[in-house]
Amino acid sequence: GQSLEQPSEVTAVEGAIVQINCTYQTSGFYGLSWYQQHDGGAPTFLSYNALDGLEETGRFSSFLSRSDSYGYLLLQELQMKDSASYFCAVFNAGNMLTFGGGTRLMVKP
Amino acid sequence: ETGVTQSPTHLIKTRGQQVTLRCSSQSGHNTVSWYQQALGQGPQFIFQYYREEENGRGNFPPRFSGLQFPNYSSELNVNALELDDSALYLCASSSLTSGPSNEQFFGPGTRLTVL
Repeated sequence: GQSLEQPSEVTAVEGAIVQINCTYQTSGFYGLSWYQQHDGGAPTFLSYNALDGLEETGRFSSFLSRSDSYGYLLLQELQMKDSASYFCAVFNAGNMLTFGGGTRLMVKP
Repeated sequence: ETGVTQSPTHLIKTRGQQVTLRCSSQSGHNTVSWYQQALGQGPQFIFQYYREEENGRGNFPPRFSGLQFPNYSSELNVNALELDDSALYLCASSSLTSGPSNEQFFGPGTRLTVL
């Protein structure tokens, strides 16, 4: 089966850097995605890694190590609006996107 | 460009009833996926439709069924509702030709409550 593990909650202050880790067990792995979801809102796509290494998009970066079945999302220069839930998700054979349980990020002033 | 829309936004049903949820995909997208999200959890994949055919299914019983129409809009039907079916149902559209990321665009969801 598929399983993804990520911390349930992270707290940080404005302007800081935070890293949200994700480990996964899956078959037919294609890539690792990250989604952001504000309370009461829809998930929105942040990034996708199919190959090992770091992908940078503005203040957000995502990393993947396929050999370690591990990835992380790095958020820099945190802002209050970054308070949300962040989900890692594995895209695999069967066109399935399997989500982790989510990490609730609270940014404090 | 029109985003993903879902209807209704909220719905209350009783155990044993049947429900139909609707989704209009984003313009230019040919693939629709449905997810169930219980409170405080991540979305769980129900199934995906591509060109009106089921193109992948998660671990949900047959009482969860779907349709995709020629205009790529979609329906999710749930029969014999159970209390545990209470959740946010999310529809996401994508295009299998948009590249390897399979970026999915989510609608706002339908909040289903089963009493």
